[in-house]
Amino acid sequence: NAGVTQTPKFRILKIGQSMTLQCAQDMNHNYMYWYRQDPGMGLKLIYYSVGAGITDKGEVPNGYNVSRSTTEDFPLRLELAAPSQTSVYFCASRGTGFNQPQHFGDGTRLSIL
Amino acid sequence: DQQVKQNSPSLSVQEGRISILNCDYTNSMFDYFLWYKKYPAEGPTFLISISSIKDKNEDGRFTVFLNKSAKHLSLHIVPSQPGDSAVYFCAASGGNEKLTFGTGTRLTIIP
Repeated sequence: NAGVTQTPKFRILKIGQSMTLQCAQDMNHNYMYWYRQDPGMGLKLIYYSVGAGITDKGEVPNGYNVSRSTTEDFPLRLELAAPSQTSVYFCASRGTGFNQPQHFGDGTRLSIL
Repeated sequence: DQQVKQNSPSLSVQEGRISILNCDYTNSMFDYFLWYKKYPAEGPTFLISISSIKDKNEDGRFTVFLNKSAKHLSLHIVPSQPGDSAVYFCAASGGNEKLTFGTGTRLTIIP
């Protein structure tokens, strides 16, 4: 059981480039989340989804886009990379039961130069 | 506006002693609280949680205490072991799908 899988683990982008961070879960969870973690800070919610076809903005959505065409996958798109988007990105999922914890992937470390 | 605060960025504890990590929150709508543990280059791992209808929850060496009137929760680890060295995040939820995280406390267990 792989849980939440994120790819790639590391990436360096040039300013203005675009890329997609991949996230897949095999637990049949309806809820999925994208966070970023900057040094010395907590996790900030970028976007989340409560099921296939449904997405909503979190605390820091600017500069990002998401889609959720299947239950398993929740990719995060950066269209025009900026240095402020240098961060570690975490994807998480959780089940629909009452007070279920979120389960996290191991993160993607992204540097924009 | 930081709704979940962990005011101690770091904590060092002797192996075998008790580790106490603290967390304060400001939003009275929060009713579910979690602690996550994070090792370097890994994602956060769920450790223990507590609902606002309780004031204590235990799981082996880990106990979480909730003081609703003070808007304060704490995580007790006893006895502390070297493998407990990690960053611990407090998180809170208010009846919706989203979590609000604190900034974390780095716990170092000294052998």
